[in-house]
Amino acid sequence: EQQVQQSPASLVLQEAENAELQCSFSIFTNQVQWFYQRPGGRLVSLLYNPSGTKQSGRLTSTTVIKERRSSLHISSSQITDSGTYLCAMGFSSGSWQLIFGSGTQLTVMP
Amino acid sequence: AQTIHQWPVAEIKAVGSPLSLGCTIKGKSSPNLYWYWQATGGTLQQLFYSITVGQVESVVQLNLSASRPKDDQFILSTEKLLLSHSGFYLCAWSLGWGNQDTQYFGPGTRLLVL
Repeated sequence: EQQVQQSPASLVLQEAENAELQCSFSIFTNQVQWFYQRPGGRLVSLLYNPSGTKQSGRLTSTTVIKERRSSLHISSSQITDSGTYLCAMGFSSGSWQLIFGSGTQLTVMP
Repeated sequence: AQTIHQWPVAEIKAVGSPLSLGCTIKGKSSPNLYWYWQATGGTLQQLFYSITVGQVESVVQLNLSASRPKDDQFILSTEKLLLSHSGFYLCAWSLGWGNQDTQYFGPGTRLLVL
């Protein structure tokens, strides 16, 4: 069974601190996405980063295919960044599927 | 602009009763469509995907079925609900195939089976 491991499971920061979230994969993949799940459950796509480094605003993702890992760096965290961050990898074996990690619960305190 | 709508927003159903959840995408033609399920406190799992009308592929077996009767509509259903069907159901779409493109998610449907 293909798996995605995320760490840490939870993270508490003071506002303006930086966050580093990690994701590791059980297989080699060049199909990596990061999502943000709002407290109500809705998923928002943050970054599609198959390899290398991608940036969007305060978010920077680095994917190293040969090491089967990806990271998400959030700079200058804000209270509104609180929520669950999910990474996912694409996997194809007969049928194609997006496999998610269990997430990192981020809480940003004032 | 493209919009994705899911209905109902929430449901409380009895074990053994039928279920039908819907998803529509407006503003995009021929999207790839996906159904996901998340148990409370659990990991998101892909259930089905569809790349064209009338064609649906199953990814995870949960005694559920899916259909795509129209280009912009994706339906998730079962004739008999189980307690284990409780959770959060998400519909998503993308233009590129598989993970070659970003997926965009709907607001979701919360289901409680009693």
